[in-house]
Amino acid sequence: QSALTQPPSASGSPGQSVSISCTGTSSDIGGNNYVSWYQQHPGKAPKLMIYEVTKRPSGVPDRFSGSKSGNTASLTVSGLQAEDEADYYCSSYAGSNIYVFGTGTKVTVV
Amino acid sequence: EVQLVESGGRLVKPEESLRLSCAASGFAFSTAWMSWVRQAPGKGLEWLGLIRGKADGGTTHYAAFVKGRFTISSDDSDNTMYLQMNSLKTEDTAVYYCTWNYAGAFDSWGRGTLVTVSS
Repeated sequence: QSALTQPPSASGSPGQSVSISCTGTSSDIGGNNYVSWYQQHPGKAPKLMIYEVTKRPSGVPDRFSGSKSGNTASLTVSGLQAEDEADYYCSSYAGSNIYVFGTGTKVTVV
Repeated sequence: EVQLVESGGRLVKPEESLRLSCAASGFAFSTAWMSWVRQAPGKGLEWLGLIRGKADGGTTHYAAFVKGRFTISSDDSDNTMYLQMNSLKTEDTAVYYCTWNYAGAFDSWGRGTLVTVSS
């Protein structure tokens, strides 16, 4: 199974919105609703931000939202804040108890 | 509160073996699904494999590239998951994380343990 494709970088000014895409295939993203997103600050463990395409775990700000269309999922961060500067990874269930991660996107708050 | 603590990472030589441990608490370990994920220096996340909860058969499933070199197991008596790694290569150098799987996502993560493979 190949890694999901994400843009290497994205940026926005404080208060703006930034969206990150995650492109897979009909075998992973397009075939189920187990798409999740993770935030990782330097030197830290990843943190779950979105699961089942659109759901937010308790404690995650509602500035973070997820969506999916066909084989592409997206994460949108609205009202960008300095602490949102981090690496973001998508992940999808790929069938037969297999999972795959995206290539990762570095979000910069300029 | 879910807690996952990895241990066992160290410097090893190519072709050597190593076993990592993940001590879990704060959830029903015997029924949980858990995964190992790694991250090479400066690189992205890479899913290695998972073990299903005992109620779901306790079976293990791996990423294709693992190719039989890695084996996941668990011990319900002390709530610990293991990753046995054989024939280690320099490209296996990474931080190894254990995770608790829930609702098709990697819900909780440990801090990771660093494995360095070098001669």
